[in-house]
Amino acid sequence: QVQLVESGGGVVQPGGSLRLSCAASGFTFNDYGMYWARQAPGKGLEWVAFLRYDGSHQKYADSVEGRFTISRDNSKNTLFLQMNSLRPEDTAVYYCVKDRAVQGAWDYFDYWGQGTLVTVSS
Amino acid sequence: EIVLTQSPGTLSLSPGESATLSCRASQSVSKYLAWYQQRPGQAPRLLIYDASKRATGIPARFSGSGSGTDFTLTISSLEPEDFAVYYCLQCSHWPPDFGQGTRLDI
Repeated sequence: QVQLVESGGGVVQPGGSLRLSCAASGFTFNDYGMYWARQAPGKGLEWVAFLRYDGSHQKYADSVEGRFTISRDNSKNTLFLQMNSLRPEDTAVYYCVKDRAVQGAWDYFDYWGQGTLVTVSS
Repeated sequence: EIVLTQSPGTLSLSPGESATLSCRASQSVSKYLAWYQQRPGQAPRLLIYDASKRATGIPARFSGSGSGTDFTLTISSLEPEDFAVYYCLQCSHWPPDFGQGTRLDI
């Protein structure tokens, strides 16, 4: 079965950096696009970044453009999110999410990991 | 950017009753709308995609309908585990956008 396990969250000061990882299993990782999404405490869902199955195309939400970088290592079935210049409003649970379509441009958010909490506070 | 508006904000029902949740898009998204369930402390789960197709393993009591700008998620004969927050998501136009959610309370 599909498993997505995030790691790397924690507490960081404003202006700091964190790198999140997502270990994927149970599907052919290099056939699927991947997303990062987030949910601030008590709030709704927000997509953060998308990366095509082959790593050829990335997209970012305006709120993180220029500060966050999504990447993947298909040889290790792992997705990453490098987060720089962190702000208090970036505080959220960050989810790794599999795209539904095989080798597609982008599609529905399919399977979600359990999330990792990032807290930006001094 | 497409705005999805969900209603009601909160719906209070009892087990065994039926629930009707609405999602309205600011412009047509054709059939490209999904519904997600998020139980407390858990990750979201895909229930419905393409407006009416049930995802793998989703019980038949969950059904979706609609097209264009108006969509409905119906849950017949509510089970205790159905009390959760439900979100809609459009995948017609980039960027993908979520609605603000409907909380289904006992």
